Amino acid sequence: AQTVTQSQPEMSVQEAETVTLSCTYDTSENNYYLFWYKQPPSRQMILVIRQEAYKQQNATENRFSVNFQKAAKSFSLKISDSQLGDTAMYFCAFMIRQGNNLFFGTGTRLTVIP
Amino acid sequence: DAGVIQSPRHEVTEMGQEVTLRCKPISGHNSLFWYRQTMMRGLELLIYFNNNVPIDDSGMPEDRFSAKMPNASFSTLKIQPSEPRDSAVYFCASSFWLGGPSDTQYFGPGTRLTVL
Repeated sequence: AQTVTQSQPEMSVQEAETVTLSCTYDTSENNYYLFWYKQPPSRQMILVIRQEAYKQQNATENRFSVNFQKAAKSFSLKISDSQLGDTAMYFCAFMIRQGNNLFFGTGTRLTVIP
Repeated sequence: DAGVIQSPRHEVTEMGQEVTLRCKPISGHNSLFWYRQTMMRGLELLIYFNNNVPIDDSGMPEDRFSAKMPNASFSTLKIQPSEPRDSAVYFCASSFWLGGPSDTQYFGPGTRLTVL
């Protein structure tokens, strides 16, 4: 069974600062994908970033980057130069490479303080 | 391109009534997913379809829930009869999957269901 754990229910960061959200997962699979989704107050689930487990290079998307540690089964999200629009719930998610099920963590509520 | 479209965005109904949620996936996508989000259980997969065929419905809570995908551009999730504990946000998502490496799922805006 696949499990995803987000140990930080809530976090806050000053505007323009950097924040890191934690995620760990448990799986016996070797080939899989990891995702971070953002859910702002509008409720829309928005893909932030995706990482293939077979790639050693950490994924980056503009101000968003990940620190993927496969051996430790850790997948943290770093948000640089935080903006007010980054205020949202952030969900870490896992999918095996040959499957189609997304397993979600419980989410981290991030508040960016002006 | 239009994203995943869901309707209605909000639904308020009374216990015992039938509720139908609708979803239009992204054009060209062949996999469709229904998720439910509650405070207690977080996001959980209810059912997913590949090429209009239900593949895994193990997440459907009980017989009151049913889902159909009559064609590649439309799916429904029906609850009959509805109960207050069904109150949640229901998301539809779609992706393109050929049975090999998985593809990213794109979510609709969700339907907030309140059962009184």
